[in-house]
Amino acid sequence: NAGVMQNPRHLVRRRGQEARLRCSPMKGHSHVYWYRQLPEEGLKFMVYLQKENIIDESGMPKERFSAEFPKEGPSILRIQQVVRGDSAAYFCASSPVGQGQSEQYFGPGTRLTVT
Amino acid sequence: AQTVTQSQPEMSVQEAETVTLSCTYDTSENNYYLFWYKQPPSRQMILVIRQEAYKQQNATENRFSVNFQKAAKSFSLKISDSQLGDTAMYFCAFITNRDDKIIFGKGTRLHILP
Repeated sequence: NAGVMQNPRHLVRRRGQEARLRCSPMKGHSHVYWYRQLPEEGLKFMVYLQKENIIDESGMPKERFSAEFPKEGPSILRIQQVVRGDSAAYFCASSPVGQGQSEQYFGPGTRLTVT
Repeated sequence: AQTVTQSQPEMSVQEAETVTLSCTYDTSENNYYLFWYKQPPSRQMILVIRQEAYKQQNATENRFSVNFQKAAKSFSLKISDSQLGDTAMYFCAFITNRDDKIIFGKGTRLHILP
């Protein structure tokens, strides 16, 4: 059973460009979470999605950031008009059920560098 | 507010020694899960150990064990017979039964010296 997949592993964008980060959950998992890790910090929750629904986006910045988890295909975290402060590692996690009832399995992360 | 505090930003110990990483947390919930994650230079988040808050018995996983003090909201990690491969960032974290987000501390950078 493959683990959580994220791609790309490394992404370099110039200021003002768009960044698209993809996450494929583990087989059988319908709950996806995105976390951001700034340099020298712990992970911070951004958004929780189920298929075709955003359940909790309390950690998402109000502007430029969006997330989706379509019926088919991976979850996408999209950052428009990136700025240097968006440089971070972005982790996706998945679980078979939600609300803290089961463990979240983390992917390897995408390291975004904004130049 | 739900928070996790790791008071040791960085630690170094000799190989084969025992080391304890401290963690305190704050939540008003009674049912929750506590975790220690290891993040090596590869940046992969690896679950080291997990503790259910309703269980009084401390969790153990080979050389890793915890000291869970629920009343004090303390959750320390002990690594016995430390190995060079234990060098990593270690994050303490928790999630409540009613929530969907894991709350992480800022981490402790652990160096195991040969």
